[in-house]
Order: sequence, then structure tokens, then C-alpha cells
Amino acid sequence: VQLVESGGGVVRPGGSLRLSCEASGFTFDDYGMGWVRQVPGKGLEWVSGINWNGGSTGYADSVKGRFTISRDNAKNSLYLQMNSLRAEDTALYHCARGSTVTTFFDKWGQGTLVTVSS
Amino acid sequence: EIVMTQSPATLSVSPGERATLSCRASQSVSSNLAWYQQKPGQAPRLVIYDAYTGVTGIPARFRGSGSGTEFTLTISSLQPEDFAVYYCQQYSHWPTFGQGTKVEIK
Repeated sequence: VQLVESGGGVVRPGGSLRLSCEASGFTFDDYGMGWVRQVPGKGLEWVSGINWNGGSTGYADSVKGRFTISRDNAKNSLYLQMNSLRAEDTALYHCARGSTVTTFFDKWGQGTLVTVSS
Repeated sequence: EIVMTQSPATLSVSPGERATLSCRASQSVSSNLAWYQQKPGQAPRLVIYDAYTGVTGIPARFRGSGSGTEFTLTISSLQPEDFAVYYCQQYSHWPTFGQGTKVEIK
């Protein structure tokens, strides 16, 4: 099982980024997926989750209305569209494999770093 | 939002001794509780789910217990590779994590 995130970078407050997660080594559409972020040196925060076919999603209150999770099962890929970014969104964003929208995560990617700074 | 509180923040243990980590939920999460281990520079690794179910490949010295609002992760006979930060996570509602317990060498 491999989960490889990409798309992180430096962006100004108010800007947008789209994160991607490419999955391999398992049947992608058998699983729900999620994004979990971590400020370096700090704890974990669930950001968003999606079920196997994209028909059900969930968001943390801190990102609701600004972030959108989606998936393309034909491409074995998970996405996170992040708009109206704030300084407090600065973190390492992990892609993780679960079962449903609200779930534990049995496999994690190494993460992609998002820095929101002027 | 369900708040998860872990204690202690830091636990100093000698190799070979037992470590007991606690996690409390602000409301009942039934048995929808997972524990993760994270080492510096690495992604978290699942060690326990459904409060007490072990993960394939995780040593049997890792044991989870509890239900409702009170949970415990016990690591019997700590090995050098067990020193890390441990997080609990509830998934009864929108997932939330505890702030972590660092298990360090005494």
C-alpha cells in the first residue's frame, strides 16, 4: 500500500491550492479516504473524509465552506481543493485510508506541506 | 465536537517496564476509538482500533481497553522502538484526536 501526496507549497492568505494523493497497492474504490493535517511539532487534526464513491463527505468546522474533498476512482486519486487559505491552515497534510467518512485510518501517506504566508 | 483528552502529556519509562496511557472523551464514543504511534519524521501508524482490536503486524504487547468515555493503551515491557508519541482518535462522530502522549526513555 502506498499513498503519495503532492501539490503543497507556499501560498498567500486568501489563495488556493489543490492537493492530490495517488494510491497504489490496493483496490482504491473499496475504501473511504481522508485528509488529516499536522502543524510540525504539534498534534493531528482531521480535515475531511469521503466514502468509497464520493457520495458522502464530511469536513471539520475549521475548513467547512473553504475546502472540498473529491476522488477519481479511475485514477486511484484523492483530492483536496483548498480555497480562501489562512495562516492557520499551514500544516503537513496527510492522505489516509479508512473505511467510511467517519473512520480510523489504517494507512497514511508521508504528507505534503502547505505554508500560508504573505 | 467531541474533545479527546490524553494524559499524561509525557510519560518517562525505563525499557522493559510497562506504560499506561489514558484517553478521555467529552461524551460517549462507544468503542469507536483508535490509537496511533508516531515517531519523528514519520506518518502515524495505527496500533489499535475499535478500542481493543490489535492491528496485524503490531506486537501483542500493545493492548487497548475501555469503552464509552474512558480508554487506556497499555504497552507491556517497553522496547526501544516503542518510544514515540501516541495519539487517540474517536470516530463515533466527526473524527477528533487527542493532543498526544510522548513516551520517553527514563
